[in-house]
Amino acid sequence: ETGVTQSPTHLIKTRGQQVTLRCSSQSGHNTVSWYQQALGQGPQFIFQYYREEENGRGNFPPRFSGLQFPNYSSELNVNALELDDSALYLCASGGTSGFSTDTQYFGPGTRLTVL
Amino acid sequence: AQTVTQSQPEMSVQEAETVTLSCTYDTSESDYYLFWYKQPPSRQMILVIRQEAYKQQNATENRFSVNFQKAAKSFSLKISDSQLGDAAMYFCAYRSARRGGSNYKLTFGKGTLLTVNP
Repeated sequence: ETGVTQSPTHLIKTRGQQVTLRCSSQSGHNTVSWYQQALGQGPQFIFQYYREEENGRGNFPPRFSGLQFPNYSSELNVNALELDDSALYLCASGGTSGFSTDTQYFGPGTRLTVL
Repeated sequence: AQTVTQSQPEMSVQEAETVTLSCTYDTSESDYYLFWYKQPPSRQMILVIRQEAYKQQNATENRFSVNFQKAAKSFSLKISDSQLGDAAMYFCAYRSARRGGSNYKLTFGKGTLLTVNP
């Protein structure tokens, strides 16, 4: 167990809807990253938050947005869902100094299905 | 942009035997970190081992060890005395040592599915 939790476990949405996924970081970590993992692929970086601000972004459109809260929990919001958004969404938390800066610890993921 | 390539989509090994998973990467940077993550059917990505590029010594963690060849940009994972619980998808990942912005991201390969036969 990494101490990183995500909710919900599974989610089914319809094309065009909006979805919010949640993550609770490991205690002591103040950075959180989100990844999208399509079936049979490696995870792809969506963005990272540090101290409640977006700190880096991958090649994802603006309809993917996020929030980080003072208690280091985080949300991933996806608007105008498309069929290709169906994937496993992984949250990873990491610290800001020393070893923990360099290693990200992952949650169990949320499986999103868009119909 | 950095890329990570895992050329073996699937591998199998007999219980108690040794298996090596391959990974190559492409980067113009001199300082970076490399990781092997394991993803069992439960989906949770679990860190197996990490390597700092500035260290010549290969990392080891119990039955897991790496062969890091910086000049060749190769980073293979050796699993000794394979156990049934080692069966999983294994991902090789790269991270820049530069601070800030998208440098924190992990770049993953497509993974190698390891089967352990009893």
